[in-house]
Amino acid sequence: KAGVTQTPRYLIKTRGQQVTLSCSPISGHRSVSWYQQTPGQGLQFLFEYFSETQRNKGNFPGRFSGRQFSNSRSEMNVSTLELGDSALYLCASSLVSDRNYEQYFGPGTRLTVT
Amino acid sequence: AQSVTQLDSQVPVFEEAPVELRCNYSSSVSVYLFWYVQYPNQGLQLLLKYLSGSTLVESINGFEAEFNKSQTSFHLRKPSVHISDTAEYFCAVRSGAQKLVFGQGTRLTINP
Repeated sequence: KAGVTQTPRYLIKTRGQQVTLSCSPISGHRSVSWYQQTPGQGLQFLFEYFSETQRNKGNFPGRFSGRQFSNSRSEMNVSTLELGDSALYLCASSLVSDRNYEQYFGPGTRLTVT
Repeated sequence: AQSVTQLDSQVPVFEEAPVELRCNYSSSVSVYLFWYVQYPNQGLQLLLKYLSGSTLVESINGFEAEFNKSQTSFHLRKPSVHISDTAEYFCAVRSGAQKLVFGQGTRLTINP
């Protein structure tokens, strides 16, 4: 079974631009979560989508948004990029049964804002 | 609110020595606990998890962790480390349908 895939793997953008990152979950997984990883703040939860609905949301400004499609693929958008948005963005998928909240992570998209 | 504290940001050990990476969590309800490992330039991989049942859980590569409810801890141990264990290790906690909360990570460095 293929793992979680994220595209692109690397991205360089300029301050003020916007960016869209994509995540394809493991086949059959309906939950997708997004995280931002930086050396200073560590791993921070952005949001979680399940069946095209946002189920949980972290403490990020409204410039960060996401969506999930009917095939469970998810996209994350960051508008008006700031230098501090430079980070590794990780996507994770899970089955979301009563007992199994195990999340499987993709390799991440490294975003550099200049 | 849940929180996770990894008490050591860096742990250097010699090859074949034992290691313990410490993790404490705070939560007022039942939790699921996880250890993830991140190798350089890669995403996170699940190392082991505690959902219920036996408090001692093991991974296929020799790591183990013990859930201690009274001390709210989930420390990760390995009796003999290898150079290939060099990585960053993250402890995480989740309660029900809530978000997964990660600790700050512990960088494990193995010296020959």
